[in-house]
Amino acid sequence: DAGVIQSPRHEVTEMGQEVTLRCKPISGHDYLFWYRQTMMRGLELLIYFNNNVPIDDSGMPEDRFSAKMPNASFSTLKIQPSEPRDSAVYFCASSGSGASYNEQFFGPGTRLTVL
Amino acid sequence: AQSVAQPEDQVNVAEGNPLTVKCTYSVSGNPYLFWYVQYPNRGLQFLLKYSTGDNLVKGSYGFEAEFNKSQTSFHLKKPSALVSDSALYFCTVMGRRALTFGSGTRLQVQP
Repeated sequence: DAGVIQSPRHEVTEMGQEVTLRCKPISGHDYLFWYRQTMMRGLELLIYFNNNVPIDDSGMPEDRFSAKMPNASFSTLKIQPSEPRDSAVYFCASSGSGASYNEQFFGPGTRLTVL
Repeated sequence: AQSVAQPEDQVNVAEGNPLTVKCTYSVSGNPYLFWYVQYPNRGLQFLLKYSTGDNLVKGSYGFEAEFNKSQTSFHLKKPSALVSDSALYFCTVMGRRALTFGSGTRLQVQP
């Protein structure tokens, strides 16, 4: 297995533009997580899905952020409109075996810069 | 609410010496505790997990962690540090709301 795949690896955009980050979890995993990492706030859980259903989105900063998981092999995190304070590394992770407390496998991250 | 504290921003140790990276936690009920490691420009990698059973948990790359319920601690240890262990280490706790990460401790192993 190729592991968790994220695209793009780097994204530079201008304030006000829409940004879409993509994630392909490990095949067979039923949990998918989106995290954000910044120097100021560290690692934060944004949202997680179980069997494609959002379970906890209380970490999503505001309405500009939305996440979807249309099927078991694909998820998106969208920011619209983007702002400079959204600049961060966004990680996707997945875990399996029917439990949210199992080992999570992280993707390489998407480094987002909003100018 | 659940929380994790890593009191040291950085730990410096000489190669070959034992290392300890400290972590304390707060969570309702029985905790699931993890250590993850992050190398530069990479995602996090799982090292080890505690759920129940033996308080000494062995993980990847020779790391181990000791669960202490009375002190609510879960310190990461390794008997002999390698330069290649230099990275950012995160202690995490899983309670009702997925994973909560500590602030991270940067481990620097000097040759």
